[in-house]
Amino acid sequence: EDKVVQSPLSLVVHEGDTVTLNCSYEVTNFRSLLWYKQEKKAPTFLFMLTSSGIEKKSGRLSSILDKKELFSILNITATQTGDSAVYLCAVYNNNDMRFGAGTRLTVKP
Amino acid sequence: NAGVTQTPKFRVLKTGQSMTLLCAQDMNHEYMYWYRQDPGMGLRLIHYSVGEGTTAKGEVPDGYNVSRLKKQNFLLGLESAAPSQTSVYFCASSYLDGNQPQHFGDGTRLSIL
Repeated sequence: EDKVVQSPLSLVVHEGDTVTLNCSYEVTNFRSLLWYKQEKKAPTFLFMLTSSGIEKKSGRLSSILDKKELFSILNITATQTGDSAVYLCAVYNNNDMRFGAGTRLTVKP
Repeated sequence: NAGVTQTPKFRVLKTGQSMTLLCAQDMNHEYMYWYRQDPGMGLRLIHYSVGEGTTAKGEVPDGYNVSRLKKQNFLLGLESAAPSQTSVYFCASSYLDGNQPQHFGDGTRLSIL
């Protein structure tokens, strides 16, 4: 059965800390892995990864995929209170998008 | 630009009642999806559509029906609501291919008593 596992489930840090969120997966016919940020309502898109070893970067956020070991990480440097959210990892497998349970990040001032 | 709009935002039903959730997108996207989000379980795909007039089952389709009569609209129906269907429902859409970032609506919080 296809599955996506995120760790940790929750994380509390202080402003300025660096965090690493993990996503491992077991799916057939892998096509892409996506990261989303969910604050109060709709998840918003962060990154889409299809190739191993190529880092995607946007400001303080970056992500990389390892298709051999079947995982991805999302890094956030110099965290701010506005980074507090649930971060969702999803893997696309033909027409089936499978999500992990998410990591709840809380950044304290 | 509204993006993906879901109605209603909140609803309380009694067991056995029926209702329809409406999703509308104004981005000319081909693919549309319905998910449910429960605590500790992430988003689970209920049904999806790859174009007008088409629908397909996702991971958790039982108890739900869908229709895509118009490209911009995707309806999710509960024929006989059950307490296990209490959840937050999200609609999403993507452009030409499912292998694209999805744009989500703000969700519908549904409680079934």
